[in-house]
Amino acid sequence: KAGVTQTPRYLIKTRGQQVTLSCSPISGHRSVSWYQQTPGQGLQFLFEYFSETQRNKGNFPGRFSGRQFSNSRSEMNVSTLELGDSALYLCASSPAGGPPYQETQYFGPGTRLLVL
Amino acid sequence: AQSVTQPDIHITVSEGASLELRCNYSYGATPYLFWYVQSPGQGLQLLLKYFSGDTLVQGIKGFEAEFKRSQSSFNLRKPSVHWSDAAEYFCAVGARQAGTALIFGKGTTLSVSS
Repeated sequence: KAGVTQTPRYLIKTRGQQVTLSCSPISGHRSVSWYQQTPGQGLQFLFEYFSETQRNKGNFPGRFSGRQFSNSRSEMNVSTLELGDSALYLCASSPAGGPPYQETQYFGPGTRLLVL
Repeated sequence: AQSVTQPDIHITVSEGASLELRCNYSYGATPYLFWYVQSPGQGLQLLLKYFSGDTLVQGIKGFEAEFKRSQSSFNLRKPSVHWSDAAEYFCAVGARQAGTALIFGKGTTLSVSS
């Protein structure tokens, strides 16, 4: 099975712009989660989607949003970019067949976003 | 709130030596525990996980971890480190209150010296 894929892999934007990142989960996986990784804060949970519905949300401002399509692919959007949004954004998918907190999550390679 | 602590930011081990990476968690009930590894420029790869049962779990690449409830720990071990093990290692907790989110420690960077 192909793994989790994320596009693009690298992105450079300027402050105030918006950006959309894409994630294709492993075939058959219905849950997609997004994480932000920075040197200072480490890995932080952004949100999780299951069956096109946001099921869980982390503590991030409303500038961060996401959605999931019927084929389980997911996008996340960051509007009005700030310098502090520079990070590696990781997407993870899981089968979501059992209780969600027990699920093994499978991570993609990430999208590295640089905000200038 | 749940939390995960990895006390060692950076560890250097000689090739062939044994390795132990520490992980402590804070959670009222038995959590679901994971160890992930991240190589430079890569995403996270699952090494092993503990949900219940035998407290010593085996993972990929020769890694094992032991869950100790009394110490709230889930330390990762490997008897003989290879140069290719140099990477960053993350301990994570999955908990009911956290929904589907994993709560990660800040990570331990492993360097392997020859």
